[in-house]
Amino acid sequence: GNSVTQMEGPVTLSEEAFLTINCTYTATGYPSLFWYVQYPGEGLQLLLKATKADDKGSNKGFEATYRKETTSFHLEKGSVQVSDSAVYFCALSDQNTNAGKSTFGDGTTLTVKP
Amino acid sequence: DAGITQSPRHKVTETGTPVTLRCHQTENHRYMYWYRQDPGHGLRLIHYSYGVKDTDKGEVSDGYSVSRSKTEDFLLTLESATSSQTSVYFCAISRPGTSGSYEQFFGPGTRLTVL
Repeated sequence: GNSVTQMEGPVTLSEEAFLTINCTYTATGYPSLFWYVQYPGEGLQLLLKATKADDKGSNKGFEATYRKETTSFHLEKGSVQVSDSAVYFCALSDQNTNAGKSTFGDGTTLTVKP
Repeated sequence: DAGITQSPRHKVTETGTPVTLRCHQTENHRYMYWYRQDPGHGLRLIHYSYGVKDTDKGEVSDGYSVSRSKTEDFLLTLESATSSQTSVYFCAISRPGTSGSYEQFFGPGTRLTVL
């Protein structure tokens, strides 16, 4: 079956630091990969996605590259801000998934200090 | 934003009482889901639906039931609430994206406390 493993948190960084959150996956098909973000008191929202190998998803200064050879989709940002403090979830979905379900990682909590 | 609302947003109830949470969507998406989110457990799928009156169990379905009589509404019922069901509950829909995959969109959540 499908699974997603992401870096355990919490992660605490100073403002303007470089961020990496690791994510690796196992999938039986050809998945699309996603990063979702959850701000305090809110639901998850899609941050970025990549649908095939070597694609790079990007949004709000965050990037992640779909690496099929290492089955990874690490999230990066060059300079984090206090407003990036949130929980980040890596996820996958593939065309073989029943009822459009996604598989989520456990989430990584990021705190950015001024 | 996929037009997902949840009600109530907050609820406090007592052990043994039934509780129903409502999820409403405005875009006629076929697939809908209920998750619970607890510290240290990430998101766990409770039940999901693949159409009107078509539902199935997720990984943590014990003590919960669901109903979907209309495309736009997906109800989650705690038949007899227990303190272990204190959690934040999220409803979600999935929308087909490219390459046959699905993107999920989440409601704002319901914080349930069972005393």
